[in-house]
Amino acid sequence: GENVEQHPSTLSVQEGDSAVIKCTYSDSASNYFPWYKQELGKGPQLIIDIRSNVGEKKDQRIAVTLNKTAKHFSLHITETQPEDSAVYFCAASPSFGNEKLTFGTGTRLTIIP
Amino acid sequence: DAMVIQNPRYQVTQFGKPVTLSCSQTLNHNVMYWYQQKSSQAPKLLFHYYDKDFNNEADTPDNFQSRRPNTSFCFLDIRSPGLGDAAMYLCATSGGRGRSYEQYFGPGTRLTVT
Repeated sequence: GENVEQHPSTLSVQEGDSAVIKCTYSDSASNYFPWYKQELGKGPQLIIDIRSNVGEKKDQRIAVTLNKTAKHFSLHITETQPEDSAVYFCAASPSFGNEKLTFGTGTRLTIIP
Repeated sequence: DAMVIQNPRYQVTQFGKPVTLSCSQTLNHNVMYWYQQKSSQAPKLLFHYYDKDFNNEADTPDNFQSRRPNTSFCFLDIRSPGLGDAAMYLCATSGGRGRSYEQYFGPGTRLTVT
């Protein structure tokens, strides 16, 4: 089955700086890669996703890059703000997310004012 | 607004006393999922329904059951909760093949077992 590794497990960044979270996956059949943000006591919220036919996708301060050859994908947050503090999960799916997601272990991001 | 709703948000049950958690959705999605999330861990898929077709994960204990009486509602039944079943239970939905592929999560139900 799929295995997703995520690093780092914790990340502290000065407000205004950039944050990068990296994930690797094992199943070459995976072709859908979402990122979720989870605030304390809440359910995960989809913030950005990428499909295997795209190398990079950007939405305002958030971007995701995908390297299918190396089987890794990354989340980039620029100009970080205190409200970006949360736990971030990457995930991978062999289909277009219609069935099962395999999650990474999560990254606790803290933005230091 | 279309959404995934979970009730209750907090549930306390006694050891061995059956409990049911509920999920409803206004997204008209074909697929509904139940995840278990323990503290500082990733969500772990228990099972999912594609329409009425039930798909159980191989390592989901028999103690966990699910029902989906219609498109909008899905229930998680824990027949005999143990202390190790204390967790956040998350419901999610997705459109299904040929539709949107994103999974949308509800706010979760935090289960405490005393």
